[in-house]
Amino acid sequence: GESVGLHLPTLSVQEGDNSIINCAYSNSASDYFIWYKQESGKGPQFIIDIRSNMDKRQGQRVTVLLNKTVKHLSLQIAATQPGDSAVYFCADSWGKFQFGAGTQVVVTP
Amino acid sequence: DTGVSQDPRHKITKRGQNVTFRCDPISEHNRLYWYRQTLGQGPEFLTYFQNEAQLEKSRLLSDRFSAERPKGSFSTLEIQRTEQGDSAMYLCASSMGGRGNEKLFFGSGTQLSVL
Repeated sequence: GESVGLHLPTLSVQEGDNSIINCAYSNSASDYFIWYKQESGKGPQFIIDIRSNMDKRQGQRVTVLLNKTVKHLSLQIAATQPGDSAVYFCADSWGKFQFGAGTQVVVTP
Repeated sequence: DTGVSQDPRHKITKRGQNVTFRCDPISEHNRLYWYRQTLGQGPEFLTYFQNEAQLEKSRLLSDRFSAERPKGSFSTLEIQRTEQGDSAMYLCASSMGGRGNEKLFFGSGTQLSVL
């Protein structure tokens, strides 16, 4: 089975609202996680990463939260814009980077 | 552009033909990965290299697939006797960094269609 998985296949969010994308992982020894954004016809693009010795990390309009107790991480996008419409993947670097199926974020005007 | 480069972007072939894809990683990166992605799914690991050494191959990778990275720089992925089930996006990624701090940077992929 997959070591990482996403809770919702599609997330519809209104422009300007905040988005939250969730991800669960199963390997308690996982020590590094990355969020990727993939637009149609393109390869995944690095957004933000977090190591297991942290519980929060912020980037530009994005925040990743890591809860090691329940093996869960989330990606928060502030003030979602049309350009944020894409599929978002979390990846667990244990081994060879395992990806879930992704969450499709659809930004509506 | 100093990102990961893949060639060709698209490949259409007939069943039974052989195809070869090329990946040029970011120049200072010592690790190179190949993934396969089908519609609606996340990337699926195929194989990876550290420098010129192929360190791991997925058990899902059939004998028809072979990858090389002869000089530790660019890599090729060959699929022999293609089947319709091989139709997918083939992604290459490169990285530099040790365990627990390894960012993968992906190319735009090669979209393979087997007719």
